Amino acid sequence: DQQVKQNSPSLSVQEGRISILNCDYTNSMFDYFLWYKKYPAEGPTFLISISSIKDKNEDGRFTVFLNKSAKHLSLHIVPSQPGDSAVYFCAASARGAQKLVFGQGTRLTINP
Amino acid sequence: DAGVTQSPTHLIKTRGQQVTLRCSPKSGHDTVSWYQQALGQGPQFIFQYYEEEERQRGNFPDRFSGHQFPNYSSELNVNALLLGDSALYLCASSSKTDSSGNTIYFGEGSWLTVV
Repeated sequence: DQQVKQNSPSLSVQEGRISILNCDYTNSMFDYFLWYKKYPAEGPTFLISISSIKDKNEDGRFTVFLNKSAKHLSLHIVPSQPGDSAVYFCAASARGAQKLVFGQGTRLTINP
Repeated sequence: DAGVTQSPTHLIKTRGQQVTLRCSPKSGHDTVSWYQQALGQGPQFIFQYYEEEERQRGNFPDRFSGHQFPNYSSELNVNALLLGDSALYLCASSSKTDSSGNTIYFGEGSWLTVV
């Protein structure tokens, strides 16, 4: 029962262009969504989050969009930089639970 | 300020053996959660400890057990190891008073290989 899904295992984008990573969820109890970035041999690091009361949250080059009716969120990175190459995980939680449900991850490669 | 620290970094065990992994949470955090990340998958929640008690548990068998000490550090124990237990085990720390997820910090993980 995969409650959070990232259907693209990998994505390749040219440096300077926009990267769009997608995530779908099935559990309507989720009300907080997060994106984590993971480099090899490191633990996941928090990138950006969004509450279900919002439909957009922006932090520098990173923007997360939430479409509750479609149970879909996306992460936009613009402009993409080589240092953005990593595995990106979408995660969701029900507020207060502090238990994260992760997607399978998308490996983003930024080409010079 | 040390973040979340885990030990050991890597270890190899034989099927049927038992393993103990350790975690020290970030300073000021009182809640520790453990996740299992199999190759090519996202992390999966095993359980969470707060005030030295297991508060939440994911879909993992009883072979997986844990403990939290008065100083908030934690151990994950896995008995009767199976080949399928080979994975990266991540410890995450947080504060119970903060319900948002962006203050959940992860350690670098312990790589367990079962042969």
